[in-house]
Amino acid sequence: DGGITQSPKYLFRKEGQNVTLSCEQNLNHDAMYWYRQDPGQGLRLIYYSQIVNDFQKGDIAEGYSVSREKKESFPLTVTSAQKNPTAFYLCASSIGRGDEQFFGPGTRLTVL
Amino acid sequence: AQSVAQPEDQVNVAEGNPLTVKCTYSVSGNPYLFWYVQYPNRGLQFLLKYITGDNLVKGSYGFEAEFNKSQTSFHLKKPSALVSDSALYFCAVRGQGTDKLIFGTGTRLQVFP
Repeated sequence: DGGITQSPKYLFRKEGQNVTLSCEQNLNHDAMYWYRQDPGQGLRLIYYSQIVNDFQKGDIAEGYSVSREKKESFPLTVTSAQKNPTAFYLCASSIGRGDEQFFGPGTRLTVL
Repeated sequence: AQSVAQPEDQVNVAEGNPLTVKCTYSVSGNPYLFWYVQYPNRGLQFLLKYITGDNLVKGSYGFEAEFNKSQTSFHLKKPSALVSDSALYFCAVRGQGTDKLIFGTGTRLQVFP
């Protein structure tokens, strides 16, 4: 089946630790995105990538980092510099810039 | 700057009645407009989009949306609501020449039996 997978579904982290969220797609999409979702705030863009080995900051990139070494993969690292990391994180992909985005099932990160 | 507004946090409707979820937008140039639905603890599912052409767009699960340029609106509609339509609905907009989608804050639709 084609689609986007995110792992893990739930993640717990101690303060001061870095953690990496996985996002993989087999849709052959060029563009990939990371969003953060908090209650009542909709989705906010963290980072996006239009092609391999290139990515741009979104609206709330501070405390996060990404890489795009393969077309299929776009992992997100939440660093200890992110002051309030507890949230629901969504990965998405699209055929190209501006096309409709298809979303993964999400990872819920909780900082203990 | 691009923006999108969903003025209602929640919409309640009885099963079998028509439903409308409102969305207004502000962009430079022609808008690209999208509707998504989210069920609890799940990712967003694409419902429909407007790029150009007919102002009435038909999408998945019997939903449709009407693009109104003069009112800068893109309201989501369905002629007869189902209890299973209960979910969180997001409107999103992208302006010409930009890469990013801007999402509204979401509207929770509750359909009562």
